[in-house]
Amino acid sequence: EVQLVESGGDLVQPGGSLRLSCAPSGFTVSSDYMNWVRQAPGKGLEWVSVIYSGGTTYYAGSVKGRFTVSSDNSGTTMYLQMNSLRAEDSAVYYCVIGSYGVFDIWGQGTVVTVSS
Amino acid sequence: DIQMTQSPSSLSAFVGDRVTITCRASQSISNYLNWYQQKPGKAPKLLIYAASSLQSGVPSRFSGSGSGTDFTLTISSLQPEDFATYYCQQSYSTPFTFGTGTTVEIK
Repeated sequence: EVQLVESGGDLVQPGGSLRLSCAPSGFTVSSDYMNWVRQAPGKGLEWVSVIYSGGTTYYAGSVKGRFTVSSDNSGTTMYLQMNSLRAEDSAVYYCVIGSYGVFDIWGQGTVVTVSS
Repeated sequence: DIQMTQSPSSLSAFVGDRVTITCRASQSISNYLNWYQQKPGKAPKLLIYAASSLQSGVPSRFSGSGSGTDFTLTISSLQPEDFATYYCQQSYSTPFTFGTGTTVEIK
């Protein structure tokens, strides 16, 4: 089965850190753009970040300076390093492949809960 | 940042009804507008990209239109499996932003 597999979601205290991972399963990523999109409980969708194949990254203002997106040398596994976590970062985090901002392949999501 | 405003926030409709959801951008985004469907507990699914192009495998009862700042998603004949939340999203520039969502419920 073709899918994106996220991992790393957990319960973490405010101010803490967490690293999420995303890797394709059953296919080879050909897109040059890998994104993170999150959804807080009962809320809408919020784009978080994108990493291009050349390494260029962009972030939402709400996470800029606290989150860092990266990929491995092969460019197929993506990571999201989240520091200085806040309660408002609690959400399901989706890994999404999307060329030019069109999000056509989504992972199943991993849950991040920031709470003391 | 480009703000995306969707309306209505929710609607109730019968199976077989024609349903229209609107999305407005805070500035012109040409046709860089996409629509997604999300069912409870599931990841969103791409329905329409570039304002009016139907994603592969999506039923033809879904259609999109518009350009500039005003866009619509139309479901020509609502089916039981279409009850879900729909989001628009602009891909014109980062940060890519989503609309607030429209929940389509059974009447």
